[in-house]
Amino acid sequence: GENVEQHPSTLSVQEGDSAVIKCTYSDSASNYFPWYKQELGKGPQLIIDIRSNVGEKKDQRIAVTLNKTAKHFSLHITETQPEDSAVYFCAATPLINTGTASKLTFGTGTRLQVTL
Amino acid sequence: NAGVTQTPKFRVLKTGQSMTLLCAQDMNHEYMYWYRQDPGMGLRLIHYSVGEGTTAKGEVPDGYNVSRLKKQNFLLGLESAAPSQTSVYFCASSHLQRTSGTPRETQYFGPGTRLLVL
Repeated sequence: GENVEQHPSTLSVQEGDSAVIKCTYSDSASNYFPWYKQELGKGPQLIIDIRSNVGEKKDQRIAVTLNKTAKHFSLHITETQPEDSAVYFCAATPLINTGTASKLTFGTGTRLQVTL
Repeated sequence: NAGVTQTPKFRVLKTGQSMTLLCAQDMNHEYMYWYRQDPGMGLRLIHYSVGEGTTAKGEVPDGYNVSRLKKQNFLLGLESAAPSQTSVYFCASSHLQRTSGTPRETQYFGPGTRLLVL
C-alpha cells in the first residue's frame, strides 16, 4: 500500500516569512495529492490539491509542487500570517475514473506556528 | 447547507460498552468515510462506503462496524469498546470529479467526535 512521510513535524516562522512542508510517497500509481489544513478543534479542510499531470499549482499565497520522478511534493506558503497557524496534512492516492472511492493515505501532519 | 455533521461531539465509555457514532451529509455525496486521528499518526481510514448499502474496510477496521442504510448517513459502531479506541473520529464525504485526465476528489470533513474509553 501507499506510505506517505511528512516533514517537519513542527515549524515555527515569523509573520511574513515563507513556510515549506515536504512529503514523500511510495506508490508510483498515486496521481492525486491534496493538502488539508486543520485548525484547533475542527475537521481538516482542503486548501489545495495537485494532480500528476502538472508539476506546480498556485492559489494566491499557497503553492504546491510535485516531482513524480522523485516521488515527493511540497506545500509552500508565502507571506505567512497568524491565521495560517494550524496543522497541515498532505495525502496521496491513486484516483481512477470509476465508481471506486479514493482511499487517501495521510502524512503525520505539520504543526505550523506563525509568530508576530 | 450544514455540510457534514457528527454526533455526539464527545463521549466517555467504559471498557466493554458499545456505542454508535452518527455521520450525516447534505451534499448528496456518493462516498463517505470514517477516520480516526491519533497524536503523531495523522488520519487513518477505518471504513468507507461508495454508495447506499455498500461498505468496505480501510486501513484499521478491527473493532469497528459500519452501516450505510441511507445515502446521507454513515454509522460507525463500536461493539465492545477498548482503551485503544480512545481517539478523535472524523467522518468525511466526497464525490469524484471525473475528467478526461486525472480525476480529483474533495473530501469534506465533519467536526469530529472525541471518544475516551476508560
